Amino acid sequence: AQSVSQHNHHVILSEAASLELGCNYSYGGTVNLFWYVQYPGQHLQLLLKYFSGDPLVKGIKGFEAEFIKSKFSFNLRKPSVQWSDTAEYFCAVHAGGTSYGKLTFGQGTILTVHP
Amino acid sequence: NAGVMQNPRHLVRRRGQEARLRCSPMKGHSHVYWYRQLPEEGLKFMVYLQKENIIDESGMPKERFSAEFPKEGPSILRIQQVVRGDSAAYFCASSPPSLGGSSDTQYFGPGTRLTVL
Repeated sequence: AQSVSQHNHHVILSEAASLELGCNYSYGGTVNLFWYVQYPGQHLQLLLKYFSGDPLVKGIKGFEAEFIKSKFSFNLRKPSVQWSDTAEYFCAVHAGGTSYGKLTFGQGTILTVHP
Repeated sequence: NAGVMQNPRHLVRRRGQEARLRCSPMKGHSHVYWYRQLPEEGLKFMVYLQKENIIDESGMPKERFSAEFPKEGPSILRIQQVVRGDSAAYFCASSPPSLGGSSDTQYFGPGTRLTVL
């Protein structure tokens, strides 16, 4: 069965610092990859997704992620974080190449940005 | 276009009671997913439904849990004889009909937080 691992449970940064959140998955076949964000008191929102093509994908609010197939990784990055980026971030994988089906989520990374 | 709606947002039940959680997908969406988030954990898949059909229930506990998505009305996740370990946030997601075989994004509702006393 596939699994998703997020390296850090809690990351604390100051505003303007650069961010990289790690995500690794275990599945040898075709995958679609997602990063979701959950702001305090709100529901999960899609940040970005990778289905095929350019492995560097850009999402909302200045976030980007790079799919490295050889490393089974899909790390999330942002060059300069803001206080409003404080939230929990989830990496998710849809495995198998079918049109629909379950997402497997990582444990989540809580990002706290100090002003 | 309204997003995925879930109700109630908060539900308190005593041990042994039944919990019924409702999910209305986004307009035009025909696929519904239920996930459970236990404290300090990520979301865990429970069940995937299309109208009147259960497609994948591999994440559903074998007993006390059931789900449906009728032809008319919302999807229902039903938990019978709740226990304290059922306390969690339950999220519903929906996705649109297939577009030439490409995978589609799941859009999440705000969740129902179930507390079992």
